[in-house]
Amino acid sequence: DAGVTQSPTHLIKTRGQQVTLRCSPISGHKSVSWYQQVLGQGPQFIFQYYEKEERGRGNFPDRFSARQFPNYSSELNVNALLLGDSALYLCASSLWGVDTEAFFGQGTRLTVV
Amino acid sequence: QQQVKQSPQSLIVQKGGISIINCAYENTAFDYFPWYQQFPGKGPALLIAIRPDVSEKKEGRFTISFNKSAKQFSLHIMDSQPGDSATYFCAASSYGQNFVFGPGTRLSVLP
Repeated sequence: DAGVTQSPTHLIKTRGQQVTLRCSPISGHKSVSWYQQVLGQGPQFIFQYYEKEERGRGNFPDRFSARQFPNYSSELNVNALLLGDSALYLCASSLWGVDTEAFFGQGTRLTVV
Repeated sequence: QQQVKQSPQSLIVQKGGISIINCAYENTAFDYFPWYQQFPGKGPALLIAIRPDVSEKKEGRFTISFNKSAKQFSLHIMDSQPGDSATYFCAASSYGQNFVFGPGTRLSVLP
C-alpha cells in the first residue's frame, strides 16, 4: 500500500506569490491534516479535514486555505507569500476517531525568496 | 494550556546506552500521546503511542512511561543504536483531533 504522498517535494516561490500544495492520503483514510514545520521546531497544526468538511483550524492567517476532494485528497493554498512562510509543509492522513494513528507524508519544502 | 513541553533539547548517548526523553502537558482533555521519529528531509514517522489508561507500553526497544497524575510521559530507547540518531517529537491530541507537538529532541548515538 502506498503511504501518504505529497507534491511537489520542493518549491521555490517569490514573496507575494501564491502556492498550492497537494496531498493524497493512504487508501481508506478519510481524514487529512496539514502542519507547518519551521526548521528546528515541531510541526504546527494548520487544518484538519474529514469527509470534505473542515473539522479544525490552527492559528494561521486567512492567507492559508485548504480543501478536501471527494477522493479524500487535499490541497493547501497559501496566498501573498511571506518570507516567514518558508517551511516544511506536512500532510497527515488517518481514519477518524479517538487515538487513531496518523501517518505523515515526506512533506513539501517551500522556500520563499 | 495547549502546549506540550519536551526535554532535553538535544541528547548524546553511547551505543548500547539508554536514551530518555521527557514530555509534559497541561490539557487534561488530551487522551492520545504518540511519539514520532524524524530524519532530516523526511516526514515524522510514528514510533509508539499510548492512552492515559495505561501506565506503560513497550514495543521492541521503545517504551513509553505515562504518569497521568503528573501529566508527564517519557520515551525510553533501550540499547540505543547509531541508526536511532534522529529528532524525536512527543505529541498529544484530544478526541482524534489535531496533534500538539513538543519542540523536539535531537538524539545522537555515538558508535
